[in-house]
Amino acid sequence: KNQVEQSPQSLIILEGKNCTLQCNYTVSPFSNLRWYKQDTGRGPVSLTIMTFSENTKSNGRYTATLDADTKQSSLHITASQLSDSASYICVVSDPPSAGAGSYQLTFGKGTKLSVIP
Amino acid sequence: NAGVTQTPKFQVLKTGQSMTLQCAQDMNHEYMSWYRQDPGMGLRLIHYSVGAGITDQGEVPNGYNVSRSTTEDFPLRLLSAAPSQTSVYFCASSYREPHNEQFFGPGTRLTVL
Repeated sequence: KNQVEQSPQSLIILEGKNCTLQCNYTVSPFSNLRWYKQDTGRGPVSLTIMTFSENTKSNGRYTATLDADTKQSSLHITASQLSDSASYICVVSDPPSAGAGSYQLTFGKGTKLSVIP
Repeated sequence: NAGVTQTPKFQVLKTGQSMTLQCAQDMNHEYMSWYRQDPGMGLRLIHYSVGAGITDQGEVPNGYNVSRSTTEDFPLRLLSAAPSQTSVYFCASSYREPHNEQFFGPGTRLTVL
């Protein structure tokens, strides 16, 4: 069964500091990997999407990296702000196998980040 | 564009009651899906649709029905609510396939007593 494991489960950092969140996956073959930000009480919002051929993608202060060989991804947040407090979810998609009909998504459980003043 | 909208935002049901969670999108997306999110677990797919008139089951379909009569709307029906269906429900849409960027609604928090 495909799995996506995220670490740490939760993290507390001081405002202005950097942090890195990890995502390990077993999905194979692999179509793309995305990171979502989910604020409390809201739906997830896409931060980055990377295909297997991309090593890094940035969205402002968020930078995602991907190592398809080791099946690892990380999300680096630079100069954290209070508004970065949220859950960050890693999602991996694999293409449809014969007869499956649609891409399958495997969601990680998320890392809960708290940024404190 | 309103994006993906969901109603209601909160709902309390008694065991055995039925209800429909509404979902609509105005982006002309073919692919729509319903997820549930429970504490300590990742989002789990309930049902999905690749276009009007076409629906299929996801990972946890039992106790839920869906239909897709138009591109815009994808309601989720709970036939006989059970406490195990207490959860937060998210509707999402994407252009054609779910591996394209998915847009999520704001969620419906459902409590079944």
